[in-house]
Amino acid sequence: QKEVEQDPGPLSVPEGAIVSLNCTYSNSAFQYFMWYRQYSRKGPELLMYTYSSGNKEDGRFTAQVDKSSKYISLFIRDSQPSDSATYLCAVVYGNNRLAFGKGNQVVVIP
Amino acid sequence: GAGVSQTPSNKVTEKGKYVELRCDPISGHTALYWYRQSLGQGPEFLIYFQGTGAADDSGLPNDRFFAVRPEGSVSTLKIQRTERGDSAVYLCASSLTGDNTDTQYFGPGTRLTVL
Repeated sequence: QKEVEQDPGPLSVPEGAIVSLNCTYSNSAFQYFMWYRQYSRKGPELLMYTYSSGNKEDGRFTAQVDKSSKYISLFIRDSQPSDSATYLCAVVYGNNRLAFGKGNQVVVIP
Repeated sequence: GAGVSQTPSNKVTEKGKYVELRCDPISGHTALYWYRQSLGQGPEFLIYFQGTGAADDSGLPNDRFFAVRPEGSVSTLKIQRTERGDSAVYLCASSLTGDNTDTQYFGPGTRLTVL
């Protein structure tokens, strides 16, 4: 069983819509959860970081962790064309290794 | 300041050849990681260095893959007898201390194509 699962389907939304992305993880001992954003032909960049459970908000972005269901979510409010990218969820395990989901390609249509 | 840099940005080689991929981490970062990202997949962990030593090489797929970091800064990932299945983007990341709370900063990757 993979450490984190992310349905890799693409997502197209109109500008201004709310984008909702989610992942599930396998091990209840995981404590550190991340969302990375990856533009085409670039390396991933850290977008949001959450420790344990609860919500974290940064501008238009909100990350949620529900440890009871082992579910992590990312919400993007008032989406912009510049938000068009692939979004990867990740968990930290072992020696600070990151295990990534497959990613969701998001396209925000002007 | 400068981020993580990787060279070459693209590498095309033939099956059976040897390749070296280079990573320059952010200055002062003691931890360095290599990941591999196949098309349509998230990055997969290969190896983690703390200083000069490989603290965790459990992600290396087989003994054709080897990595070094002799002076605790630049790292080289070496692949012997390349196979078509090795084609992927090889990503390097560095972090300040290697703690679980540390942010890993990624380079742009080297796109390896094995013909």
